[in-house]
Amino acid sequence: NAGVTQTPKFQVLKTGQSMTLQCAQDMNHEYMSWYRQDPGMGLRLIHYSVGAGITDQGEVPNGYNVSRSTTEDFPLRLLSAAPSQTSVYFCASTRPGAYEQYFGPGTRLTVT
Amino acid sequence: AQRVTQPEKLLSVFKGAPVELKCNYSYSGSPELFWYVQYSRQRLQLLLRHISRESIKGFTADLNKGETSFHLKKPFAQEEDSAMYYCALSRTGNTGKLIFGQGTTLQVKP
Repeated sequence: NAGVTQTPKFQVLKTGQSMTLQCAQDMNHEYMSWYRQDPGMGLRLIHYSVGAGITDQGEVPNGYNVSRSTTEDFPLRLLSAAPSQTSVYFCASTRPGAYEQYFGPGTRLTVT
Repeated sequence: AQRVTQPEKLLSVFKGAPVELKCNYSYSGSPELFWYVQYSRQRLQLLLRHISRESIKGFTADLNKGETSFHLKKPFAQEEDSAMYYCALSRTGNTGKLIFGQGTTLQVKP
């Protein structure tokens, strides 16, 4: 099992550009989440999903879009990148009722 | 408001010294508490959770509901314990959403 995979590993964007961060898991987990990690602020939840076709907002959803068409994939879209979105993005997955979340390796995004 | 607070950004100790990483929380309800660890160049991974009451890599954490704390302790630090540690909570039974603290970097010096 590859677990949770994320692409790309690194990305540099200019202000106003859009892009999609990819996340996939091969563990048949229903729950998937996106977090951003910023120094001094820990990880904050952006969006999450409890199954295909079901998504909801987390703590910091503005400027991000998600959709979940399959159990395996949960892409995160930046609609119009801003310097404030410079961060490390982590995707995670888990099963309902399970106690452990499995994290991907992260995507380091810089917006200039 | 639901919040997790880790008051120390950096904790630096010598090898063999005791370690205590502090975590306080505020939550209306009955949360589940966790400690996650991120070693250099590795993924964030679960270290332990309060329900299991187990010791992992020599670390233990006790949930104190009166003080709303979940401090992580180890009696004798090792160099390989150097990492970023995050305290996190979720609503009982729903671990799809975690609320994280700010994180504490533990540096164990030889």
